[in-house]
Amino acid sequence: AQKITQTQPGMFVQEKEAVTLDCTYDTSDPSYGLFWYKQPSSGEMIFLIYQGSYDQQNATEGRYSLNFQKARKSANLVISASQLGDSAMYFCAMRVHSGNTGKLIFGQGTTLQVKP
Amino acid sequence: DGGITQSPKYLFRKEGQNVTLSCEQNLNHDAMYWYRQDPGQGLRLIYYSQIVNDFQKGDIAEGYSVSREKKESFPLTVTSAQKNPTAFYLCASSIRQSTGELFFGEGSRLTVL
Repeated sequence: AQKITQTQPGMFVQEKEAVTLDCTYDTSDPSYGLFWYKQPSSGEMIFLIYQGSYDQQNATEGRYSLNFQKARKSANLVISASQLGDSAMYFCAMRVHSGNTGKLIFGQGTTLQVKP
Repeated sequence: DGGITQSPKYLFRKEGQNVTLSCEQNLNHDAMYWYRQDPGQGLRLIYYSQIVNDFQKGDIAEGYSVSREKKESFPLTVTSAQKNPTAFYLCASSIRQSTGELFFGEGSRLTVL
């Protein structure tokens, strides 16, 4: 069975500091993609970053980077230089490529609060 | 601008009434999805459709129905058989057979009184 686990219900970080949000996943499929989404209080889901299972390097997008450790089945999100606008809920998700359903499986989310 | 439009944003209904949530996309995506989100929780898949006139049940399809008569539209009906319909509903789309991300609408918040 495929599963995403986010063990941190809530996190605090001081403005301008870096923070790591944890995500572990479980799948027996060799081909998959890992995603991080941000959900502000308004509710929309904002795509942040993607890592493919065969990608050799960790993905980076501006202040976001994904610490991909395939052997440990972890895909932690690192946000550098936190800003007040980063306060939101963050979801890790996985898309398994076999079966071709295209559906994303989500974790429970981590609420991040950035303190001024 | 291309995107996904969900309506209404807020909806109040009495218990026992069917409710239909609209989802329209102009991204020319083949695949569309409906997710449900409960407070403080992750998203759970209700239904998905990879092509017009075809759709499959997700993990929590009981009490819901969908149709896909047009590529652009994927409405969700919350029926009276859904025991706990109060939730936040998100529609998404993606290019069929893509390994890329899902694009989401802004969501519809349904409250059953």
